[in-house]
Amino acid sequence: EAGVTQFPSHSVIEKGQTVTLRCDPISGHDNLYWYRRVMGKEIKFLLHFVKESKQDESGMPNNRFLAERTGGTYSTLKVQPAELEDSGVYFCASSPRTGASYEQYFGPGTRLTVT
Amino acid sequence: LAKTTQPISMDSYEGQEVNITCSHNNIATNDYITWYQQFPSQGPRFIIQGYKTKVTNEVASLFIPADRKSSTLSLPRVSLSDTAVYYCLVGDIGSGSARQLTFGSGTQLTVLP
Repeated sequence: EAGVTQFPSHSVIEKGQTVTLRCDPISGHDNLYWYRRVMGKEIKFLLHFVKESKQDESGMPNNRFLAERTGGTYSTLKVQPAELEDSGVYFCASSPRTGASYEQYFGPGTRLTVT
Repeated sequence: LAKTTQPISMDSYEGQEVNITCSHNNIATNDYITWYQQFPSQGPRFIIQGYKTKVTNEVASLFIPADRKSSTLSLPRVSLSDTAVYYCLVGDIGSGSARQLTFGSGTQLTVLP
């Protein structure tokens, strides 16, 4: 079974540019999460999808960040325009619909560098 | 969410048993204790989860005393490949509850040859 995949693995962009990160969850997982770790800080929750619906987006830092999950499969996270403080590693995770657990399956992350 | 406290770092040698303790004095009745492991350049990986007493799987054991104010992750006979950051998380995993994970600073375990 394929795990959670993320693309790209690395992205280097200039301040003011736009970047779109993609996450493909494990097939059949209705729950999809985005997290990020900025330099020197802890991993922080951004938002949670259940299928195509945003269940919780309390962690999104501002309106420069837009997450979508059309069709309830893969998800994209767009940063527009990117700022220097957006640099960090963005993780995606997924979990099945059923079951109550803190077991989430994480992807390898996308390292974003804004210069 | 209950606040957790763990050592920032630990060193061990190959073949030794490693115990990482996490304090969670404000744990609530419905809270479970979950541990994640993270290797460099990878996302966190679920290791083990428990509510009370002892839980064991093929990777680790989790010991939780009766008052549940702390927990200990035990890794038997570590190898170099166990070098990673270990996170202790505490929260209510019941259905309908928020599913977001709250990571602390974690414990950097370094296994030496």
